[in-house]
Amino acid sequence: DQQVKQNSPSLSVQEGRISILNCDYTNSMFDYFLWYKKYPAEGPTFLISISSIKDKNEDGRFTVFLNKSAKHLSLHIVPSQPGDSAVYFCAAREGSGTYKYIFGTGTRLKVLA
Amino acid sequence: GAVVSQHPSRVICKSGTSVKIECRSLDFQATTMFWYRQFPKQSLMLMATSNEGSKATYEQGVEKDKFLINHASLTLSTLTVTSAHPEDSSFYICSALPTSGYNEQFFGPGTRLTVL
Repeated sequence: DQQVKQNSPSLSVQEGRISILNCDYTNSMFDYFLWYKKYPAEGPTFLISISSIKDKNEDGRFTVFLNKSAKHLSLHIVPSQPGDSAVYFCAAREGSGTYKYIFGTGTRLKVLA
Repeated sequence: GAVVSQHPSRVICKSGTSVKIECRSLDFQATTMFWYRQFPKQSLMLMATSNEGSKATYEQGVEKDKFLINHASLTLSTLTVTSAHPEDSSFYICSALPTSGYNEQFFGPGTRLTVL
């Protein structure tokens, strides 16, 4: 049973436009959410995170929105750049103190020049 | 800061042999490290949680006798794939959770294991 889902396996966006990546989860006990960026044959790189007590967190071109009632979070990248092309994973932390992450299946973003 | 290294980056071995993968936190201490594996075009699947000075906690379905984990210091965890078989071929990634100051895991670059 996939507790964290990214329903769009891929997304293409024109350079300069907004990229919106979505993530849904089922476990209401998750207390912390993160977005990671990953290139092929490399480990994930942390991008941005949000606590379950907040609904928005912004860091430069990256903004994460959390809708707890809908169990949905999204990552907005504005403006999108070709260097943003990668696979993006959302992850949720189980709030039991284990610090275990559950990862989504990833969305491949392609930013077209 | 918060750099994690893995060694080797790529390894090819014969079926039946054992392979050791090292995960090091270079500029911070990590009481807890995690081991993941990723199959092509799939998500990262947590295999086990490695705690310094204690036994690792394995996820359901992961054989602890096949995937031996040792976390002997606050900067080093090792994963040994014992009696490797072709189905163990995968991309193995470790992460480290800093002992203080961070809520995020920092990931190593991964190890590509190919078992012939």
